[in-house]
Amino acid sequence: DVKVTQSSRYLVKRTGEKVFLECVQDMDHENMFWYRQDPGLGLRLIYFSYDVKMKEKGDIPEGYSVSREKKERFSLILESASTNQTSMYLCASEGQPNTGELFFGEGSRLTVL
Amino acid sequence: AQSVTQLGSHVSVSEGALVLLRCNYSSSVPPYLFWYVQYPNQGLQLLLKYTSAATLVKGINGFEAEFKKSETSFHLTKPSAHMSDAAEYFCAVSEVGGYQKVTFGIGTKLQVIP
Repeated sequence: DVKVTQSSRYLVKRTGEKVFLECVQDMDHENMFWYRQDPGLGLRLIYFSYDVKMKEKGDIPEGYSVSREKKERFSLILESASTNQTSMYLCASEGQPNTGELFFGEGSRLTVL
Repeated sequence: AQSVTQLGSHVSVSEGALVLLRCNYSSSVPPYLFWYVQYPNQGLQLLLKYTSAATLVKGINGFEAEFKKSETSFHLTKPSAHMSDAAEYFCAVSEVGGYQKVTFGIGTKLQVIP
């Protein structure tokens, strides 16, 4: 079974702090994604990566950056957390490239105070 | 640009009743279509997918969906609801070709009443 692991299930941070959310997949998938999930808005794509050191902006990249130094690891970075970034963050990897079939981690619920 | 509309953010059914969750999409090219399910405090998992083969797609846990191009719909059904089906369901679309961006609907929370 594909396993996508997000390092933190629950985080509480203060406004202005730098936040790292880490995601690791164990199936050698090329494409990885970060989404945020908010009630009534569904999932919105923040960034995705199709190869090591390669990244593309999604629909809502403002206030976020990403890092992919190794194929299995895709990190989401909030340089200066704000209260409107309180959300559930979901990492996913794509099974077969360019099919849209995604495998998700369990999510990281971030609260920014 | 592709988009997904899920009608009804909350749906309630009685245990044993038909489940029908509605999804309409827009896409400039023939799409891939998906239904994902999210149980409380978990990530999403794939329920079923349409990739231009058979228009009636069967998924896990007795769910199925039918692709209707003329109606641009991909509704999810299950003949008989079970308590364990209570979850949030997301319809998603992905355009064929190039780097894929999967666009999700807002989700439908299914409540199953005993």
